[in-house]
Amino acid sequence: EVQLVESGGGLVQPGGSLRLSCAASGFTFSSYWMTWVRQAPGKGLEWVANINQDGSQRYYVGSLKGRFTISRDNPVNSLYLRMNSLRAEDTAVYFCARVFWTGYPNFDYWGQGSLVTVSS
Amino acid sequence: QSALTQPASVSGSPGQSITISCTGTSSDLGGYEYFSWYQQSPAKAPKLIIYEVTNRPSGISNRFSGSKSGNTASLTISGLQAEDEADYYCSSYTSRSTVIFGGGTKLTVL
Repeated sequence: EVQLVESGGGLVQPGGSLRLSCAASGFTFSSYWMTWVRQAPGKGLEWVANINQDGSQRYYVGSLKGRFTISRDNPVNSLYLRMNSLRAEDTAVYFCARVFWTGYPNFDYWGQGSLVTVSS
Repeated sequence: QSALTQPASVSGSPGQSITISCTGTSSDLGGYEYFSWYQQSPAKAPKLIIYEVTNRPSGISNRFSGSKSGNTASLTISGLQAEDEADYYCSSYTSRSTVIFGGGTKLTVL
């Protein structure tokens, strides 16, 4: 059974940093692109970033590029999102998801999300 | 980049059919056959329900169907059931190798 479990969320002050983790199991992690998607409270989904199987290709939503970094560690089946210079508008539930690639990325399995709250 | 445009809400009675539209620009939705639809029930993670215009992942009911014309994609749910009440999001792949979501549509089953 495919499972994705996010961790690392919590309360952080504006300007602070946080690293989210996503532990994957039930599939060959190193064979899949992975992604992060976020959802602010009461708002819609916002794609954050994709990473390919070996980490050599990374794509970001334009508004976050430079502050957020997606990475992965295949031997330990983990995906990460490093978030720097956090702002109140980064407050959201952050989901990791597996990419089902059909010529373009679809997100076929999702974790339950990790809440990040940016507040003083 | 702007989100794809969806109606904020739609509603229907059990057994009826409803359609949710998703309108983009030529650089995303109109330029590709590449879009997906996701269902998100309250306090749950999103679920992929349509990909590549009309394809359904394993386990998704055939009451869900998709189509596209020009720069507008549509999701149709036939034979509405109470369990279909959820938020629905379209998404597309842009010319900049990024993913964009629609603003979401809240479906209410009356």
